Parts: sequence; C-alpha cells; structure tokens
Amino acid sequence: QKEVEQDPGPLSVPEGAIVSLNCTYSNSAFQYFMWYRQYSRKGPELLMYTYSSGNKEDGRFTAQVDKSSKYISLFIRDSQPSDSATYLCAIADIHGSSNTGKLIFGQGTTLQVKP
Amino acid sequence: EPEVTQTPSHQVTQMGQEVILRCVPISNHLYFYWYRQILGQKVEFLVSFYNNEISEKSEIFDDQFSVERPDGSNFTLKIRSTKLEDSAMYFCASSTQGAGNTIYFGEGSWLTVV
Repeated sequence: QKEVEQDPGPLSVPEGAIVSLNCTYSNSAFQYFMWYRQYSRKGPELLMYTYSSGNKEDGRFTAQVDKSSKYISLFIRDSQPSDSATYLCAIADIHGSSNTGKLIFGQGTTLQVKP
Repeated sequence: EPEVTQTPSHQVTQMGQEVILRCVPISNHLYFYWYRQILGQKVEFLVSFYNNEISEKSEIFDDQFSVERPDGSNFTLKIRSTKLEDSAMYFCASSTQGAGNTIYFGEGSWLTVV
C-alpha cells in the first residue's frame, strides 16, 4: 500500500464552484499534514498546514483532517481561474527529537477552473 | 519575502558527466532538503541535511549523489555520473524547525541528461 494516495484527476470545474480535493494515507502515526500548490514547472508553494485532526480555514481554503479514516481534504470555495494548478497533499514523516524527517507527497491533482 | 533560490534553472548535460545543482536556502533556516520530480510523477524525497550532516536519505540517493554545505549559505547537490533517468526537476527546500513545520521550496532546477 502506498503511503499517500491522491487521485491525479484532472478535475475541471466552472468558476465559482466548490472544489474538493482528497488524499488517503496509510500510517496512523502521521500528525502533520500539508497542502501545496504547484504551477507548471514551478516549485511547490505551501497553502495549508494542519496538525492532527480537525479543520483549518484560510480565506477561500479549508483543510480538513480525519485521522480515524486516514483521510485529508482541501476545499476551495468560490473557485477562480487563477486557482488552476496542481494541488499536492503532503505528510510529514518525522524522526526523533531533532524534528528531522521528510515530506511524503501524493501524486497531485490537476485542477482547471473554467471562466 | 525570503525565498529559496536555485541555479541553474535548466541544465542539459551528457550522460556520464558530473552535475552540480546549487541552492541558497533562506538565511535563518537550519534544515535543508533536496527533492526531485520526474515529469508527470510525484515529488520524491532525496535527502535531508541538518547540523552539518545528512539526517536521512532515500533509496534514490545512492553513491552517485552527494550534498554539501560548503560555506554556510549555499547547499549543493552533486550527481557524479549522470544517467538518462536522472532527468528531472530538482527542488531544494529549507525550514527553520524541520519536517513538522513549514518547508519552503525553490523554483527548481530542470536537469536534462542526453
């Protein structure tokens, strides 16, 4: 089983729609969850960061973590054409007291918001 | 806003040649990373570096790869003898407090091995 799974899409929605992006993960010990946005041939840009379970909201973006189901979500309200990008879920796999470790990324979901 | 900078943005190299990819992490950061992304595939971890040593490396990071922080500001990835399958976008990243906190990525260095 892959550590992080994400439907690659593509996902196409009309402007103004609510977008739901999702990932599942395998290791129940994971505690730190992120969503990155990546434009074509660019570096990932952090959108949302969540620790443990619950919701976090930032403007039109809401990140949700359900640790019981090992499921993380990103919701985009009132989607705009400028939101068209690839969205990557990432989970921090941390080792020891020095906080070393790595991010494990999902495949990324390509989103297109049509005007 | 501080950012991670990478050079070159694109490099074409012959198979078997050595390549050095350079990165300037954000100045007060302590944790440094290299990731790569083969076209159309997921972003993959290569190596993390903390306290002047490698803290973790992936299976991809074999003896052909090495990292260095030679002068306290630069962080380099060297590929000793490039293969065709090393063609990818290589991202440098840095963080103040490690993997459980915000990790900032550079714009990437696109490596093409011919």
